[in-house]
Amino acid sequence: GQSLEQPSEVTAVEGAIVQINCTYQTSGFYGLSWYQQHDGGAPTFLSYNALDGLEETGRFSSFLSRSDSYGYLLLQELQMKDSASYFCAVRDRSGNAGNMLTFGGGTRLMVKP
Amino acid sequence: DSGVTQTPKHLITATGQRVTLRCSPRSGDLSVYWYQQSLDQGLQFLIQYYNGEERAKGNILERFSAQQFPDLHSELNLSSLELGDSALYFCASSVEGRLQETQYFGPGTRLLVL
Repeated sequence: GQSLEQPSEVTAVEGAIVQINCTYQTSGFYGLSWYQQHDGGAPTFLSYNALDGLEETGRFSSFLSRSDSYGYLLLQELQMKDSASYFCAVRDRSGNAGNMLTFGGGTRLMVKP
Repeated sequence: DSGVTQTPKHLITATGQRVTLRCSPRSGDLSVYWYQQSLDQGLQFLIQYYNGEERAKGNILERFSAQQFPDLHSELNLSSLELGDSALYFCASSVEGRLQETQYFGPGTRLLVL
């Protein structure tokens, strides 16, 4: 099985940059995904990195280092609406040998004015 | 709006009871995934169906079962409910049968077992 570690909580101010780290231990690795979830809402897909390097999508970027089993989500020009929980996820083998996503415990980001 | 619909939004029931949660995937998506989210366990994969067939299974309890119908909607049945089953239940969908990291989540069903 897989395990993922991410900080439980991060606080930043509006307009700032914040980095949410994720380290993983895997028996087989395909790539690292990131999801955003607002309180009471559904998880929303943000990004997926299969290869090393930085992927940029607007104010959000995601980075992966396969050799370090590490990735991060970078949020720039923080806005109040970015206050949410952010989950990293990796592919894992399921009980009947299919594939499934295993999620980290989530990082709660609080953006302050 | 992801295009995935789930009913009901909220469900309150008693221990020992049985409930059915319903999910309709996005138009064109053949896979449906079910997840349970609780405060202490986080987001946990339960089961995946693809075009009516079970494709992957997570740590789903034996008291729980699911199926996907010919019109591709799916139902998650939870029986002999316990207090610990209180959680948010999400379904998600994707186009293909092989695991896709891009999944579209529905709004969830909040289950409270009293």
